[in-house]
Amino acid sequence: KAGVTQTPRYLIKTRGQQVTLSCSPISGHRSVSWYQQTPGQGLQFLFEYFSETQRNKGNFPGRFSGRQFSNSRSEMNVSTLELGDSALYLCASSLIPWGDTEAFFGQGTRLTVV
Amino acid sequence: AQSVAQPEDQVNVAEGNPLTVKCTYSVSGNPYLFWYVQYPNRGLQFLLKYITGDNLVKGSYGFEAEFNKSQTSFHLKKPSALVSDSALYFCAVRDGIKAAGNKLTFGGGTRVLVKP
Repeated sequence: KAGVTQTPRYLIKTRGQQVTLSCSPISGHRSVSWYQQTPGQGLQFLFEYFSETQRNKGNFPGRFSGRQFSNSRSEMNVSTLELGDSALYLCASSLIPWGDTEAFFGQGTRLTVV
Repeated sequence: AQSVAQPEDQVNVAEGNPLTVKCTYSVSGNPYLFWYVQYPNRGLQFLLKYITGDNLVKGSYGFEAEFNKSQTSFHLKKPSALVSDSALYFCAVRDGIKAAGNKLTFGGGTRVLVKP
């Protein structure tokens, strides 16, 4: 069974640009969450999607957005990139967003803003 | 609000010795607790979880964790550490209420270094 797939693995962008990251969850998983990992702030929750609807959102500015498609694949977008957006972005999938299910993480997308 | 504390930034242990990584948590509802491990330039790998039931939970690669409700702790343990266990370990909590969804709150991580 394939795991969580994130593309691309690495990205280099310039300040002010926008970027879109993609996540394909484990087959049959309908819940997708996104996290930002930085050395200073650690792992922080961005948002969670289930059935194409955002269920929860973390404390990030509106430049960070996401969506989920009918096949459960998810994308996140960051507009007007800032140097501080450089991070490892992790996607996690789970069967459903409640109950005793655990989340499985992808390898992440390493975003560098220059 | 929920929070997780991992009081040790790094734990050093000799191969073959017991390994303990500490975690305390705070959550308003029923705690769902998880341990993940991260190797360099990789995502998080699930080790084990506590949802309900027996306070001692067994997971992957010989790891186990003990849930202590009165001390709000969920320490990760391994009886005999291997060099290959050297990695970054994260404790996470999720509120058990349905509205909280799958939002995980992570501790700051503990780097484990197992020396031969």
